[in-house]
Amino acid sequence: EAQVTQNPRYLITVTGKKLTVTCSQNMNHEYMSWYRQDPGLGLRQIYYSMNVEVTDKGDVPEGYKVSRKEKRNFPLILESPSPNQTSLYFCASGTGRYGEQFFGPGTRLTVL
Amino acid sequence: KQEVTQIPAALSVPEGENLVLNCSFTDSAIYNLQWFRQDPGKGLTSLLLIQSSQREQTSGRLNASLDKSSGRSTLYIAASQPGDSATYLCAANFNKFYFGSGTKLNVKP
Repeated sequence: EAQVTQNPRYLITVTGKKLTVTCSQNMNHEYMSWYRQDPGLGLRQIYYSMNVEVTDKGDVPEGYKVSRKEKRNFPLILESPSPNQTSLYFCASGTGRYGEQFFGPGTRLTVL
Repeated sequence: KQEVTQIPAALSVPEGENLVLNCSFTDSAIYNLQWFRQDPGKGLTSLLLIQSSQREQTSGRLNASLDKSSGRSTLYIAASQPGDSATYLCAANFNKFYFGSGTKLNVKP
């Protein structure tokens, strides 16, 4: 089944403890991206990647890192999480920057 | 900064009614626009993608239109059903993606 998977689905952590949220897609898509969704603010793009080893900042990249060493994986790294990064995170992939986007199921992160 | 607006924020209709959801954006230099539905606690499901060169796209009871010059897209849902109840989001692609805040639709049996 064609899909985007994210792990973990739920995570509660403490301020300053480094964490990684994994994202994987099995559709051979070149384009992948990360979003956060917050009440009243909607979905905002954090980072995106056009292809392996090519990443760029979205609208709200501060406090996040990404890497794209393989086509199928695009992990989101929070080096020192803070409470304002408590949010619902979505990974997405697409056939290209101008193609249809497909979303993962989301990761609900709480930073205490 | 690009802005994408969806009106209304919430809509409640009786089953069987035809309805229109609106999405407006501030820049006509749009590459494409995608409509999604989001069910509570779930991810986003893609409904329709309209490229900037297209005027409309159809899938089943759904029809989406795009008017770049006026900065508007509409999602038309025909013969609404309770299963259509969800939040509908539009995403405009200006080389980066910008989402509207969504329209929460409730279709009453």
